[in-house]
Amino acid sequence: SQQGEEDPQALSIQEGENATMNCSYKTSINNLQWYRQNSGRGLVHLILIRSNEREKHSGRLRVTLDTSKKSSSLLITASRAADTASYFCASDGETSGSRLTFGEGTQLTVNP
Amino acid sequence: DAGITQSPRHKVTETGTPVTLRCHQTENHRYMYWYRQDPGHGLRLIHYSYGVKDTDKGEVSDGYSVSRSKTEDFLLTLESATSSQTSVYFCAISRKLDQPQHFGDGTRLSIL
Repeated sequence: SQQGEEDPQALSIQEGENATMNCSYKTSINNLQWYRQNSGRGLVHLILIRSNEREKHSGRLRVTLDTSKKSSSLLITASRAADTASYFCASDGETSGSRLTFGEGTQLTVNP
Repeated sequence: DAGITQSPRHKVTETGTPVTLRCHQTENHRYMYWYRQDPGHGLRLIHYSYGVKDTDKGEVSDGYSVSRSKTEDFLLTLESATSSQTSVYFCAISRKLDQPQHFGDGTRLSIL
């Protein structure tokens, strides 16, 4: 079963709006990461949040982690057409020996 | 971008033939990974390596073997390809197991 599951599967917004994607996981984790994938390309690391952190920022990205609910969210503020991509969460569950388990991703479309 | 090169980028072959995919890095990272990406499944770990000649199985290792004779090269072999192995294969590298991973641009493999 998937360690990480993203919600929604697809999201379409207008430029300038904020985009929020959610991720849930099943087992205790050491850290959780978010990646981005443009069509036809490999994944690119965005941000890592450790299990003892609750919130982290990087530019227009804000990630939160709620270990009691086993969930995380990625917020992209003031979205741009160039943000159009698939976004994946990846967690290293304690039962997977720190290896990453990826969710199925959220496809974000930002319309100009 | 991290120096990761996957070859070939595209390959079409027939069922029952052997196939070898190559991942080459110039970053001197200790860890190297092979994933497959399929619709509805996200990325799934096939095998990974934690050093020269040191490898371990991932979530979907059946039908695949790997070798790492040099720090910079990690080979994935399908001994006798099957249609179920049609997928996009990604190589990734990281300094440590719990550190962000850097991905290549993938190999699209079609087995007819």
